[in-house]
Amino acid sequence: DIQMTQSPSTLSASVGDRVTITCRASQSISSWLAWYQQRPGKAPNLLIYEASSLESGVPSRFSGSGSGTEFTLTISSLQPDDFATYYCQQYNNYPLTFGPGTKVDIK
Amino acid sequence: VQLLESGGGLVQPGGSLRLSCAASGIKFTSHAMSWVRQAPGKGLEWVSGMNGSGDRTYYADSVKGRFTISRDSSKNTLYLQMTSLRAEDTAVYYCAKRRQENSGPLDYWGQGTLVTVSS
Repeated sequence: DIQMTQSPSTLSASVGDRVTITCRASQSISSWLAWYQQRPGKAPNLLIYEASSLESGVPSRFSGSGSGTEFTLTISSLQPDDFATYYCQQYNNYPLTFGPGTKVDIK
Repeated sequence: VQLLESGGGLVQPGGSLRLSCAASGIKFTSHAMSWVRQAPGKGLEWVSGMNGSGDRTYYADSVKGRFTISRDSSKNTLYLQMTSLRAEDTAVYYCAKRRQENSGPLDYWGQGTLVTVSS
């Protein structure tokens, strides 16, 4: 199975900050990586797919990059709505696996 | 697209439960489907999946042999039959659609249904 790791596990930031989250896969997954945002009590929401493609309706302040085993999610200017937990997920093969999550909270 | 889970509740250890996911706005044959769970205060864990053709099923090691995914295309409903339930199966269970027949990200999710395994 492909193991996914994320860093940091928690990130404290202010509105307007640029934020970067890193995700690593235990083996190459090409670009088959997605990023999800989850607010408390809600279902996850797809932000980025294929490592760098922005899902329709998602604000352009979100961007993704990387390939192979190392990936990043960047929020260019953090907004109040963005305080949430972010998960990366590989979909190169089954079993689908998620990273442990990065909680972005208010500094 | 709408996915609506139901069937969660309180069940004793060793018991069984069947979850349902009623889908609208999609054709099952065009999209793989998955179940993903989230234990209280924990991260996301993929549980099971089925391809769009309905002839391939996949399971996490943690549920293999105890859970069964199936669907009724005439009702546009996905199921997760759960048996031999354990305390560690306590979680919110989400159904989610994959973008393609057997690939792609999970682009639509239901609101989830809570399963509590406790005596």
